[in-house]
Amino acid sequence: ETGVTQTPRHLVMGMTNKKSLKCEQHLGHNAMYWYKQSAKKPLELMFVYSLEERVENNSVPSRFSPECPNSSHLFLHLHTLQPEDSALYLCASSHLEDLTQIPYGYTFGSGTRLTVV
Amino acid sequence: AQKITQTQPGMFVQEKEAVTLDCTYDTSDQSYGLFWYKQPSSGEMIFLIYQGSYDEQNATEGRYSLNFQKARKSANLVISASQLGDSAMYFCAMRERRGGANSKLTFGKGITLSVRP
Repeated sequence: ETGVTQTPRHLVMGMTNKKSLKCEQHLGHNAMYWYKQSAKKPLELMFVYSLEERVENNSVPSRFSPECPNSSHLFLHLHTLQPEDSALYLCASSHLEDLTQIPYGYTFGSGTRLTVV
Repeated sequence: AQKITQTQPGMFVQEKEAVTLDCTYDTSDQSYGLFWYKQPSSGEMIFLIYQGSYDEQNATEGRYSLNFQKARKSANLVISASQLGDSAMYFCAMRERRGGANSKLTFGKGITLSVRP
């Protein structure tokens, strides 16, 4: 366990469904991130939350809606997804101020493998 | 803009031998951090090693070492005494040291390493 927990690990949903991905960290980090990892593509940063405020949204379609109710929890709400949205969704957390905090950089969860049918 | 380049499409190594995974980067910043992550088939991104741009010594962590050549902007990962469990995807990443929400971890495309028994 890395300290960042993602649920569910696997999710199959139809294009008309609404579901949510959950991410939880108890590392005392103050920034959280959603990444999308598709087959044969680089990791794509989707959203950044700093001190519970969304500070970045990288042109992500509105069918993805993030929520950060507190510094320990991050959600990604999904609705009317497309088959091309099938991917591994990774959550990460970090300290904002000091890169030398152990573990360095970002701490990742195990991901949610999403399949849209 | 930051950029990480990993051009090796796939690497094979015999068990117990050493292997080098290449990474070059491009940044106009003087202060930055370089990271390597391992991603096994389970999907989790596992932090391996960190090198700060001002660190004079090459970083080492057990069987992992980072061959940092600042003038050439390269940060190659060396894995000594390869084990079957080393088979995974390996990502090089960079982040500006000054931190803050705008300081993102930028990833390369990754390299697949397969260890042969």
